[in-house]
Amino acid sequence: QKEVEQDPGPLSVPEGAIVSLNCTYSNSAFQYFMWYRQYSRKGPELLMYTYSSGNKEDGRFTAQVDKSSKYISLFIRDSQPSDSATYLCAVSRQLTFGSGTQLTVLP
Amino acid sequence: GAGVSQSPSNKVTEKGKDVELRCDPISGHTALYWYRQSLGQGLEFLIYFQGNSAPDKSGLPSDRFSAERTGGSVSTLTIQRTQQEDSAVYLCASSLGDPSNQPQHFGDGTRLSIL
Repeated sequence: QKEVEQDPGPLSVPEGAIVSLNCTYSNSAFQYFMWYRQYSRKGPELLMYTYSSGNKEDGRFTAQVDKSSKYISLFIRDSQPSDSATYLCAVSRQLTFGSGTQLTVLP
Repeated sequence: GAGVSQSPSNKVTEKGKDVELRCDPISGHTALYWYRQSLGQGLEFLIYFQGNSAPDKSGLPSDRFSAERTGGSVSTLTIQRTQQEDSAVYLCASSLGDPSNQPQHFGDGTRLSIL
């Protein structure tokens, strides 16, 4: 079993839609959770990072962690074509990454 | 300010050759990571440097891979006797301190193609 599982998509949504991206992880000791956005031929860019359970909001982005079910989510409100990218979740120290979800927001 | 810089951005070489990939981290960042990203895959941890401590080499896939970090700044990842399965994007990241509580900043990677 991989330490972090992420649905690879691809996911296509219309502009303005609410997007939900999700990951599950296996090690209950993980306490630090991150979401990265990666545009084509670019390095990953940190979007959000959170400690432990709860929600963290930044503009149109909300990161949510549920430690009881080992489930992390990223919500994007009012999605824009510029949000089209691959989104990677990551956990703790060596940044164990999910395989990424490719998102396309259609104008 | 300047971000993480990696060179070359692209490298094409023949099977069996050695390659060196360079990473210039953000000034003042004590932690430096190397990752590998294959097509359609997530990032695979390779090696981690933190200050003057011995590096964590637990992710290196074989003894053909090695890395060094000189003077606590620039790092070089070396792949000897390259194989076709080494083709991937090699990403470097740095952080201000312990990456468990400091975000990592990535370069744009070196795209390595082994013919």
